[in-house]
Amino acid sequence: AQKVTQAQTEISVVEKEDVTLDCVYETRDTTYYLFWYKQPPSGELVFLIRRNSFDEQNEISGRYSWNFQKSTSSFNFTITASQVVDSAVYFCALSDVMDSNYQLIWGAGTKLIIKP
Amino acid sequence: ETGVTQTPRHLVMGMTNKKSLKCEQHLGHNAMYWYKQSAKKPLELMFVYNFKEQTENNSVPSRFSPECPNSSHLFLHLHTLQPEDSALYLCASSPTDGVFTDTQYFGPGTRLTVL
Repeated sequence: AQKVTQAQTEISVVEKEDVTLDCVYETRDTTYYLFWYKQPPSGELVFLIRRNSFDEQNEISGRYSWNFQKSTSSFNFTITASQVVDSAVYFCALSDVMDSNYQLIWGAGTKLIIKP
Repeated sequence: ETGVTQTPRHLVMGMTNKKSLKCEQHLGHNAMYWYKQSAKKPLELMFVYNFKEQTENNSVPSRFSPECPNSSHLFLHLHTLQPEDSALYLCASSPTDGVFTDTQYFGPGTRLTVL
């Protein structure tokens, strides 16, 4: 069965520090997609990135970067030079065709607190 | 308006009330979703509509009744709810027909409190 594990329940860092949020997934399928979403206190889930299983290139978007490693089934998210506005709950999610009925499998989320 | 909007943003209701949540997407998408987010629990998918047709109903109690009159609007009708139904209800939409390659875009949610 599919599963997404975000082992870090809560992380607290001081502004300008770098921080990495871990995501480990399980799937039997060879074709799948991985997602990261941000949920600020306002409640809206904001889409950050989608990555398919055939593209292992790391991605950088401003201060955000993602490290996809199929060998360890991980899709980690790093924020460089963190800012207070980065404080939110971050969710990792998996989508594949096997047994999922096209549903997203969500991790439990990591609450990130950036202190000024 | 852009993206996905939801109204109301906050709702307090008694267990005997009937209320409706509204979701509207301005993205030209064809699939829409209702999710429930409770404290300390993973996001739960409730309903999926593709091209106005319901394709998923994840064993949701009948006191929740969805309605999708067109591809841009989605409602969740609520009646005789229980206190444990208090949660954040999120609406989402995706471009095609809900296939696993889709990216879902979310609204701001309705914070529901059942007294």
